[in-house]
Amino acid sequence: DSGVTQTPKHLITATGQRVTLRCSPRSGDLSVYWYQQSLDQGLQFLIHYYNGEERAKGNILERFSAQQFPDLHSELNLSSLELGDSALYFCASSARGGNQPQHFGDGTRLSIL
Amino acid sequence: AQKVTQAQTEISVVEKEDVTLDCVYETRDTTYYLFWYKQPPSGELVFLIRRNSFDEQNEISGRYSWNFQKSTSSFNFTITASQVVDSAVYFCALSVPSGTYKYIFGTGTRLKVLA
Repeated sequence: DSGVTQTPKHLITATGQRVTLRCSPRSGDLSVYWYQQSLDQGLQFLIHYYNGEERAKGNILERFSAQQFPDLHSELNLSSLELGDSALYFCASSARGGNQPQHFGDGTRLSIL
Repeated sequence: AQKVTQAQTEISVVEKEDVTLDCVYETRDTTYYLFWYKQPPSGELVFLIRRNSFDEQNEISGRYSWNFQKSTSSFNFTITASQVVDSAVYFCALSVPSGTYKYIFGTGTRLKVLA
């Protein structure tokens, strides 16, 4: 058990809809990262938050947004969903910055019908 | 730009064989960090090792060993006497500061260890 909690584990929705994925980091970790893992694109870094502030952006679409709250949990919002957004979304946390080992949650599997 | 290449898409070995997973990285930064993660069939990603760019010492942890060579920009991972439980996808990753840290993952190598 990594200590990182992601909810929900599975999500099925339709094109055009909006969903919110939630992540609770390991106790004491200040950094949260979001990744998208799809079959054809591997593991893609989306965004990194540190103690409530956005620190780095990767290949995150404009339809996607994220935030980290004062209690350090994070949410990833995906809107105007398309079939290609179907993927496994991972959250990871680390103690501090980006040179630290990351501890991953079990992921949320998003299926767009 | 930074890049991580794992040229081996899939490797199959018979139990007890040794196997090496290759990782080649590209970066112009002098300070960077390299990682290996394991993703077993259950799906979670598990951290295995971190190495910074100033530490070229090889590391051994049980049946696992890592060979970091800056001259060839490689950070290879060897499993000695492989076991079925080693079957997983293994990812190599690079983290560079460059103002803000970003993680770049390789495409992964799927290792199948056959009984």
